[in-house]
Amino acid sequence: GQNIDQPTEMTATEGAIVQINCTYQTSGFNGLFWYQQHAGEAPTFLSYNVLDGLEEKGRFSSFLSRSKGYSYLLLKELQMKDSASYLCAVMDSNYQLIWGAGTKLIIKP
Amino acid sequence: GAVVSQHPSRVICKSGTSVKIECRSLDFQATTMFWYRQFPKQSLMLMATSNEGSKATYEQGVEKDKFLINHASLTLSTLTVTSAHPEDSSFYICSARAPTQVTSGGPSDTQYFGPGTRLTVL
Repeated sequence: GQNIDQPTEMTATEGAIVQINCTYQTSGFNGLFWYQQHAGEAPTFLSYNVLDGLEEKGRFSSFLSRSKGYSYLLLKELQMKDSASYLCAVMDSNYQLIWGAGTKLIIKP
Repeated sequence: GAVVSQHPSRVICKSGTSVKIECRSLDFQATTMFWYRQFPKQSLMLMATSNEGSKATYEQGVEKDKFLINHASLTLSTLTVTSAHPEDSSFYICSARAPTQVTSGGPSDTQYFGPGTRLTVL
């Protein structure tokens, strides 16, 4: 079966760095996406990885290792507004998105 | 670019009535749109994939006669919840797949989400 695993909840301090991990087992791979979802709102696109390595975009970076079926989202200089759920999703061989359950990130002052 | 709108944002209706939700891609053409449902504190659940000009593909367990999907044009898909019941109360979110890169940092086939519709059935 297809499976995406990510921690349910994480807590971090304002100004710090946090890494949210995602492991996956899917039928085929056509890229991995990270989305941010604030409570009561729809997800917004953060990043996309299809090749191994690190993609940096401002305070957010995303890493992919296809051989390990592993990705992480790195958030630096955390701000209170970063409190949200972070969803990992993998596009399988049929170009369908398989979603993780999301990681709720709580930022404390 | 890659803006998706959804209307209405919030609807409250009586049990037994039908509710129509519209999803529009505002600045790009989307041959494929997706409808998701999300219950509180749970992840997105794909309900159906909507392809312009053809019948929608429903996920297992989703009643196609209850959740009617029409993808009449490259910028509009509608979801109609027929004979809604309280258990249909949920957050319904549509997304549209951009056929080409329409925004910096977003690859082809990225799904862009509408703001969602919160449905409450009394």
